[in-house]
Amino acid sequence: NAGVTQTPKFRILKIGQSMTLQCTQDMNHNYMYWYRQDPGMGLKLIYYSVGAGITDKGEVPNGYNVSRSTTEDFPLRLELAAPSQTSVYFCASSIFSGIRETQYFGPGTRLLVL
Amino acid sequence: AQTVTQSQPEMSVQEAETVTLSCTYDTSESDYYLFWYKQPPSRQMILVIRQEAYKQQNATENRFSVNFQKAAKSFSLKISDSQLGDAAMYFCAYSRDDKIIFGKGTRLHILP
Repeated sequence: NAGVTQTPKFRILKIGQSMTLQCTQDMNHNYMYWYRQDPGMGLKLIYYSVGAGITDKGEVPNGYNVSRSTTEDFPLRLELAAPSQTSVYFCASSIFSGIRETQYFGPGTRLLVL
Repeated sequence: AQTVTQSQPEMSVQEAETVTLSCTYDTSESDYYLFWYKQPPSRQMILVIRQEAYKQQNATENRFSVNFQKAAKSFSLKISDSQLGDAAMYFCAYSRDDKIIFGKGTRLHILP
C-alpha cells in the first residue's frame, strides 16, 4: 500500500511551457485534492474531486486544470506556466466528506518556473 | 471570511520539555473541524491531531494534545516530552464543508 504518490518530485519549467503533475492513490479514496504551498505560507486548495468524473474549484484555481477519469488518478495540468506558479504542490486524498476526514498527503512536487 | 492565525513564526524547546503552539481562527459557524498538521523537512504533510467543534472534550494523541476553547476561537497544540523528531513546521487548519484554510505555520526547533 503506497498511499498517495506524486511525480515528478522536482521540475523546472520555462515561462509559457505546459506540464502535468501526476497524483495516484491506492487506498480507494473518493476524495482527492490539489494544494499549493508558497514559501513561508500554508497550503491553498487549487481543485478537488469528490469522485471519478467530478471536479470542482478551490481557492486558487486560475491557471490550472484537472481531470478525474479514474478513482486512483487525479492529474493537475498547468497550461501556460508563469513565475507566480513557482510553488510546492501537494496532492491529498480522503475516504469521505473530504475536509472532515483525515487527509493523506503525497510527498509533494516542487515546481520552479523561470 | 474564515481566517486562521498562528502568531508564533518560530519556537524553540529543550528536548524532553513541553511546548505549546498557538492558533486562533475566525468563523461565524458553529460546526467545523480543526486540525494540526506537521511538515518535517521532507515536506510531506502529516496529520497530528483532529478536533470536531461539537465535541467539548479536547483531543489527544499520545504526546500531543489540544486546548480547544470554542468561545475564544482558540486551538493550541501541546507537545509533551519533546523529541528531536518533533522538529518541523506545524500548521493549524480549519475546515467546514468543502473548504480548508491553513495558517502560515510555526517552525518548531528542538534543542538537544
